Amino acid sequence: DTAVSQTPKYLVTQMGNDKSIKCEQNLGHDTMYWYKQDSKKFLKIMFSYNNKELIINETVPNRFSPKSPDKAHLNLHINSLELGDSAVYFCASSPIGRGGEETQYFGPGTRLLVL
Amino acid sequence: GESVGLHLPTLSVQEGDNSIINCAYSNSASDYFIWYKQESGKGPQFIIDIRSNMDKRQGQRVTVLLNKTVKHLSLQIAATQPGDSAVYFCAEKRGKLIFGQGTELSVKP
Repeated sequence: DTAVSQTPKYLVTQMGNDKSIKCEQNLGHDTMYWYKQDSKKFLKIMFSYNNKELIINETVPNRFSPKSPDKAHLNLHINSLELGDSAVYFCASSPIGRGGEETQYFGPGTRLLVL
Repeated sequence: GESVGLHLPTLSVQEGDNSIINCAYSNSASDYFIWYKQESGKGPQFIIDIRSNMDKRQGQRVTVLLNKTVKHLSLQIAATQPGDSAVYFCAEKRGKLIFGQGTELSVKP
């Protein structure tokens, strides 16, 4: 009964390849996110979707394309992978709470290593 | 600009002692703050949150204090246990969550 799940957990690939990371939440939340965590543990938001609609798109290269087939899924596709893409990618989801606050629930992360 | 920072990157405490993790935020317009705990190899886990109209909020063994005058947030953990060892992040919400760098808490038995 995992709340937010991601696959794969580990991803090792060559530079220039295209890869996808999948995320699913069974919490019934309306909003989902992708975060990137670098080697210094710094967490930064990349994208946010609300009911399949893109609402936040940070300054992320066009090689990164999120796709939300339904509100329970938010996948991340990365084209032409570069060495600097190596990081841990976290998916998260949240309800829309009263007063505008949102508690975000994170998945276990996908550790991407580009060689 | 966007900046949520932490005063200390690492904190080592003795088991049973109280821990205090500090956080400074830069934007006085932020109205919601969250503390997350991230254990090794796992995703961030929600600990406690506080709205800007509050100064203090208590949970189980944790207390968050908010000082809006100096834009400072702290997380207090009572009777720290080995299971509390993790990286702790504060985050402020202003449309999106902006995370601080993180403080690594190490609990010595």
